[in-house]
Amino acid sequence: AQKITQTQPGMFVQEKEAVTLDCTYDTSDQSYGLFWYKQPSSGEMIFLIYQGSYDEQNATEGRYSLNFQKARKSANLVISASQLGDSAMYFCAMREVYTNAGKSTFGDGTTLTVKP
Amino acid sequence: DGGITQSPKYLFRKEGQNVTLSCEQNLNHDAMYWYRQDPGQGLRLIYYSQIVNDFQKGDIAEGYSVSREKKESFPLTVTSAQKNPTAFYLCASNTGAGDTEAFFGQGTRLTVV
Repeated sequence: AQKITQTQPGMFVQEKEAVTLDCTYDTSDQSYGLFWYKQPSSGEMIFLIYQGSYDEQNATEGRYSLNFQKARKSANLVISASQLGDSAMYFCAMREVYTNAGKSTFGDGTTLTVKP
Repeated sequence: DGGITQSPKYLFRKEGQNVTLSCEQNLNHDAMYWYRQDPGQGLRLIYYSQIVNDFQKGDIAEGYSVSREKKESFPLTVTSAQKNPTAFYLCASNTGAGDTEAFFGQGTRLTVV
């Protein structure tokens, strides 16, 4: 069964500094996608970044980058130059392409607080 | 604009009542999902549907029911059998491809009074 582990319930970072949010996953599939979402206090889920299991390069989207280490089954999110608006809960998720009916599995999330 | 609309945003239910949460999407997505989120927790899958007139139980389906009569709509009914329904409910949709993200609605916060 697919599983996502986020070991940091809460993280603090100073404004303008970089922060890494950890995510490890478990799957027996060779083909899968890894996603990060941001959930502000309003509750909406905002898609941030995607990494495919066959992608050789780490994904980047603006200030977000995904540190993908396939052998270690980790997909850490790096946020550079943190802003106060980055304070939110962050979820790592995985979809297996061919099995598990394409369902997403989510981790328990990490609450990030950016300090001024 | 394409997106997912959930309504209502806030819902109050009395003990023993059934309530239905609405989820509509105009993204032409085949797959739709319902998740439950408890405070400070992750998302748990209640039900999902990959095609019209077909749906499957997720990890916590007991006390919930769904229908998928139209591609655009995937309503969730919280029945009186759900013992602890107070939670935040999120509806999502995506294409069938595994490399596409899920699009989420704004959520419905259900409270039992």
